[in-house]
Amino acid sequence: DIVMTQSPESLAVSLGERATINCKSSQSVLYSSNSKNFLAWFQQKPGQPPKLLIYWASARESGVPERFSGSGSGTDFTLTINSLQAEDVAVYYCQQYYSTPQTFGQGTKVELK
Amino acid sequence: EVQLVESGGGLVKPGGSLRLSCVASGFTFSNYTMNWVRQAPGKGLEWVSYISSTATYVDYADSVKGRFTISRDNAKKSLYLQMNNLKAEDTAVYYCVRERILWFEDLLSGAVFDPWGQGTLVTVSS
Repeated sequence: DIVMTQSPESLAVSLGERATINCKSSQSVLYSSNSKNFLAWFQQKPGQPPKLLIYWASARESGVPERFSGSGSGTDFTLTINSLQAEDVAVYYCQQYYSTPQTFGQGTKVELK
Repeated sequence: EVQLVESGGGLVKPGGSLRLSCVASGFTFSNYTMNWVRQAPGKGLEWVSYISSTATYVDYADSVKGRFTISRDNAKKSLYLQMNNLKAEDTAVYYCVRERILWFEDLLSGAVFDPWGQGTLVTVSS
């Protein structure tokens, strides 16, 4: 199984500041046939199911604000939230869908400072 | 609107059984691979099982293999998870999740979990 490791476990960010979350996979999730990274980011607010934010490591899902961006390739990825808003307080998970079983990082909790 | 609604959760004793259901609406259910993903209280996400669109292929996490059975009824737009010999560590919110295929330049390029149902809580305790 591919192990996904996120850092940090939690971070506190002031309104309007940037939040950066890292995700590392134990093996590459880059699909050579199309040069796509099979890496997604989810947002989970308290009492709600996870919501897809980013796929292919950097493609923003329809309706997701532009302040959310994903980057990285191979085994190292980053989710950046520019100009944090109060509604962005949540736990964020990375997930690989390169191979079965699809596996998730342990989550990063983003709070307001 | 695409919607997934789970039911069937509850309190069950260790060694007991439970059957979860998920009813889909707003999309052609029979065209999609479906999954169950669970989340223990205060913990992260764990994929549990998947079933292909025509139920030809299924797979399970090692932690539930031999105890859980996934099935579907495309006529009823429903997904099921039969859980037997339940253990305390199976306590979790169970989410029904659709697998959405991604296309890039007409080539299949992965599949993401979207959307998720609201979940149903299963508590295994004596």
